[in-house]
Order: sequence, then structure tokens, then C-alpha cells
Amino acid sequence: SYELTQPPSVSVSPGQTARITCSGDALPKKYAYWYQQRSGQAPVLVIHEDSKRPSGIPERFSGSSSGTMATLTINGAQVEDEADYYCYSTDGSDDHWVFGGGTKLTVL
Amino acid sequence: EVQLVESGGGLVKPGGSLRLSCAASGFTFSYAYMSWVRQAPGKGLEWVGRIKSKTDDATTDYAASVKGRFTISRDDSKNTLYLQMNGLKIEDTAVYYCTTATTVPHWGQGSLVTVSS
Repeated sequence: SYELTQPPSVSVSPGQTARITCSGDALPKKYAYWYQQRSGQAPVLVIHEDSKRPSGIPERFSGSSSGTMATLTINGAQVEDEADYYCYSTDGSDDHWVFGGGTKLTVL
Repeated sequence: EVQLVESGGGLVKPGGSLRLSCAASGFTFSYAYMSWVRQAPGKGLEWVGRIKSKTDDATTDYAASVKGRFTISRDDSKNTLYLQMNGLKIEDTAVYYCTTATTVPHWGQGSLVTVSS
């Protein structure tokens, strides 16, 4: 079955740039979506269609995709950005979707 | 404003059944593809399945972990999405979210399903 692979954890100091990667064989053809989930809360979409930011999401969040890897970048990460981040995409058929395993971002 | 409100969660014994509902408002529900996503305690997000709009035959697709046990359906006259869960297993314990399967997905707040004897 199709898989999206993320690093389990990423750690940065406040103000630094955090990059979270997501690899999958179908990503050259399919969009990646990124969700932020703070502890005890429902997921929040922070990037859709590889690089588009929904209204209300701070400009420090950006997304990109190249080949089989999508990347979520947080420029000038802040303490409130500490959360689990999940990438989300389809296996290429558009009939089955999958989440990456999640990356715990620590900002301290 | 898009609103999705799940209901129907609760405690059920292994092998039992439960039906979740998701009441939708703020968008044209009949045109929307809809999905269910779940999250087991302390675990990551898992896509459960998706139903297309009636114009696309309301075709359903499921994750391998639930195929044959779970059924997604919709009632466009009531703007409501359903998840019928049969043959529940302990590992189905999770918060279940309904989401729009759209370019900018919207999510409900989730409904907790606990499978335990």
C-alpha cells in the first residue's frame, strides 16, 4: 500500500527555520497537503495543493514540492508552532488517500 | 461558514456496530465529495474512506483496514454524511472526523468511538 514518509521529529530554536519533509512516489504527480495539530485539538490545514496557504495562516508557513518530496517550511518558527505536522496526499489513483506518519516539531 | 458536526460516537463492545452522522452546512453538500478520517489515542491521522457526489454515482472507497466492515453513505436531502461501522475491533477506537474532500478541506471537531469489553 502507498506510504508517505516523514521524519518523526524536528527541533529548532525560536526564530530559526524549520523544514519538515514528506516523501512519496506519487508526489511528482499529486498535490501534498499539510496539517498542523496542536495537542488536544483538531487538525488545521496550513498548506494545500503543495504551496497554497489558506486564509488566516501566517505567512511564515510555506510549502514546496520537487520530485518525490514535499516540504513544509516555517520561517522564523515561534513557540506556538510547536505541534504535530502531517502531510496528506493520494496514491495517484485519487481513490485512496494517505497521511504521513506525522512529525513532532519542537521549538525551544 | 462551513460547519461539520459529528454525532453518534460512544462505547461499544468488540463485534458491535455503530453509526456516525455528520451534519453539514454552509456549502452545497450535494456537490461535495466527503471523507472520514480517524485518529486513535496517541497515534497519527488515518484516512478511512471517501464518498463522491451523486453526480459521480456516490462511489465509495475505503482504507484496507476498514474495507468490508465500514460503509459510507450520504443523504443529500438532509445534508448529512454517515459512517456505518460493523464488526468493530478494539483497534477501531479513535476520534472520527468528517471532512470535505475539497481543495481546501474543512473538518468537524470529531466524535469519539471507544471499542471495549
